[in-house]
This record gives sequence, structure tokens and C-alpha cells, in this order.
Amino acid sequence: RKEVEQDPGPFNVPEGATVAFNCTYSNSASQSFFWYRQDCRKEPKLLMSVYSSGNEDGRFTAQLNRASQYISLLIRDSKLSDSATYLCVVLGGSSNTGKLIFGQGTTLQVKP
Amino acid sequence: NAGVTQTPKFRILKIGQSMTLQCTQDMNHNYMYWYRQDPGMGLKLIYYSVGAGITDKGEVPNGYNVSRSTTEDFPLRLELAAPSQTSVYFCASGIWGAGQETQYFGPGTRLLVL
Repeated sequence: RKEVEQDPGPFNVPEGATVAFNCTYSNSASQSFFWYRQDCRKEPKLLMSVYSSGNEDGRFTAQLNRASQYISLLIRDSKLSDSATYLCVVLGGSSNTGKLIFGQGTTLQVKP
Repeated sequence: NAGVTQTPKFRILKIGQSMTLQCTQDMNHNYMYWYRQDPGMGLKLIYYSVGAGITDKGEVPNGYNVSRSTTEDFPLRLELAAPSQTSVYFCASGIWGAGQETQYFGPGTRLLVL
């Protein structure tokens, strides 16, 4: 079983749609979780951290369910500029190394 | 403030050749990382460093070596290049702990081994 698993998609949605991505992780001891965004042939960039209580940043909402070991990302009112690959990321090992484990990514294509 | 810079942007190697991928950061981060990303896949950690003089293996270290003589630089050495090392290589630096958790990535080096 992969340490971090995502549905690779692609998710094709019209502008204005709401789309949700899920991600599962295998290590129940994991403490820190993130969503990164990666545009085609570019480097990943941090989109948002995921906190236990859930957190929101504009049109983006991240949720963590520790009991089921999954993380979600909700994007409301999709824009064309949201088209990218979204990487679910979990901190592996102890926090003093900062070692991140990446899922393979979920591709989102927002169409006019 | 350049952030994380990587050179070269693109390189073609013949099987058995060697090369060094350069990575420099100007944010005074202690933590630095090397990842590879194969097509359609997530990033896999090759090596990482928690400070100058300290390096450790990640998930896929075979065929690579690193050194960290300064805070700013974290070069990745490929010895005896193989086609399996064809990939995009990303260097990152980061802050961890004390409520700050993030990694900043360089633009990547695309390597083709023929």
C-alpha cells in the first residue's frame, strides 16, 4: 500500500463548479499534512497546510479526518486558473527532519 | 531574493557519464532536500540535509551522492548515469518547527539519460 494515495483523475469541471479531492495516508502517527499545487512542468508550491480543525483560505477548504486517515481539499467556484495538479503531502518520520511524502497528484482541468 | 536556484535547467547525458546538479538557496534555511519526479508520479525524496555537514538518505538514494559544506549549497552528484535516472530533479529548502512548516522548491532540472 502506498503511503499517500490520491485519485489521479483527471477531473474535468466547468468554471464555477465545486470540486473535491480526497487523499488517504497509511501512517496513523503522521502529524502534519499539506496540499501543494503543481502547474505543468513547474515546481510544486504550497497551497495550504491542513489542520485538525479544518481550515479555509478563500475558495479553498482543507479537512483532516484522523480516524479514517484521509485528507480532503474542496475548491469552490472553480476558475480556469485553478487548472493544475494538486499534491497531497504528509510529513513522514519525525518533524525535526521535515521529510515530506508526496501523493502522485490529482489533475484538475477547469473548462470555460 | 532569488529563493532556490538550480542549474542546469536541462541536460542530456550518455549512459555511464557523471554530472553534478547544483542547488543554492538564499533564505538561510537549514533544511534542504533533493527529489526526483517521474512522469505522472509524485515526488520521491533522494537525500536531505538538516544543516551544513549533515546529510541523510531518503527513499531512493541509490546512484546518487550529496554533500552540504555550506548552508546555501546542496549539490547532487550522479555517478555512472543510467536510463532509469531520466527524471525531473527538484531541490527544496525549508523551515520546520516552531509553528513554521513549509518547503520552497527550485524550478527543477530535467535530465535525460540515453
